[in-house]
Parts: sequence; C-alpha cells; structure tokens
Amino acid sequence: KQEVTQIPAALSVPEGENLVLNCSFTDSAIYNLQWFRQDPGKGLTSLLLIQSSQREQTSGRLNASLDKSSGRSTLYIAASQPGDSATYLCAFNAGNMLTFGGGTRLMVKP
Amino acid sequence: DTEVTQTPKHLVMGMTNKKSLKCEQHMGHRAMYWYKQKAKKPPELMFVYSYEKLSINESVPSRFSPECPNSSLLNLHLHALQPEDSALYLCASSRGGVANLGNEQFFGPGTRLTVL
Repeated sequence: KQEVTQIPAALSVPEGENLVLNCSFTDSAIYNLQWFRQDPGKGLTSLLLIQSSQREQTSGRLNASLDKSSGRSTLYIAASQPGDSATYLCAFNAGNMLTFGGGTRLMVKP
Repeated sequence: DTEVTQTPKHLVMGMTNKKSLKCEQHMGHRAMYWYKQKAKKPPELMFVYSYEKLSINESVPSRFSPECPNSSLLNLHLHALQPEDSALYLCASSRGGVANLGNEQFFGPGTRLTVL
C-alpha cells in the first residue's frame, strides 16, 4: 500500500524566511504529485501539480520538485508571509486515487 | 466557472435523521469524488464516480449512499449516522473519467458534518 509522509509535521518561521516542505512516497509508479493548501476548516486549494515526466513546477513564490527515483517531492516557499500560514498537503496520484500525506502545519510569524 | 461548490456548509443531524450533501461543478469534468476528513488528519477517499457510474467504493458503510444524477452533480445521502462520522466531507472533480489517469483534482470547500 502506498505511504506518503510529510516532514516536518509543524513549522514556525519568522516572516521573510525561505522554507522547504518535504514529502516522501514509497511507490515509484506515480502519475503525478499534487500540492495543496488548506486553511482551518476549509477545503483544499490546489497549488501545484507535477506530472511524473516533470522535474519541477513554479507558481509565483512557490516551487515544487519531484524526484521519482528517490521517492521525494519538495515544496519551496520563497520570502514567506503571514498569509502563507496554513496546512500544506502533498498527494500522490497513482491513477485516479489521491493518497495524501499527513500535512505540514505552517505558521509564519509577523 | 472553475470551482466546485458544496452545500450545505454546515450540517448538524441526529443519529436517526436522513440528510443529503450536495456537490456541483460546471467544468465539464467527468470524474467526481467524495472524501472524508477528520480533524487534523488528511482526507480519505470514499467514492469515485466516472461518467456518472460508481467506479470506486473504498469499503464505506452503507449508511453513506452516493448518487450521481448527472455529470455536474454528486450527492451523498446520509442515514443512521454515528457520532464518529462527524467530519469535513469534501467533494472533488477532475477532467475525464478514471481511464484518464493523472488528472488534477479540484476540491470544493467542504461540508462540516456534526452527528449528535
């Protein structure tokens, strides 16, 4: 069974720092990996999707990378802002089923 | 229209009630999903519909009954729920059916369900 792990589980940083969130998976038969943001009690907002044939995707201050051989993806957030505070979830897609990691709760302090 | 909508936002029900959750999308997506998310946990897949047909049921108890009346609408009928069923219920959709693998999923805002 696919396992998706996110480290760290929680992270608190001062505003302006660059930070990296990590996601690892056990099954290399991946179609894509999706990164989501979730605010408390809300739905999931799709941030970036990396297809299995891609190495990275960028959107604004966000950059996500994918290394299938090592079973890892990272989400890089540049110049963090208090508005970035949320839970970040990675999700492994091996077909049409998403398997989610446990999430990283990010707090960016002013 | 590039969003998935869900109603109601909040629902409180007793264990003997019958209620329904509704999900709608107008993006022409042909796969729709129900996920359940408990507090501080990641979402877990419940059902997948592809071209209005149920294609995946993740061993969900029969007190949850999904329905897909048309390509834009997905319902989840609830009956005789237990307090442990209290959770955020999320709907999602993706382009193409389950045969189109690797499509991006778009999520609705969820329905916060409390079972008393």
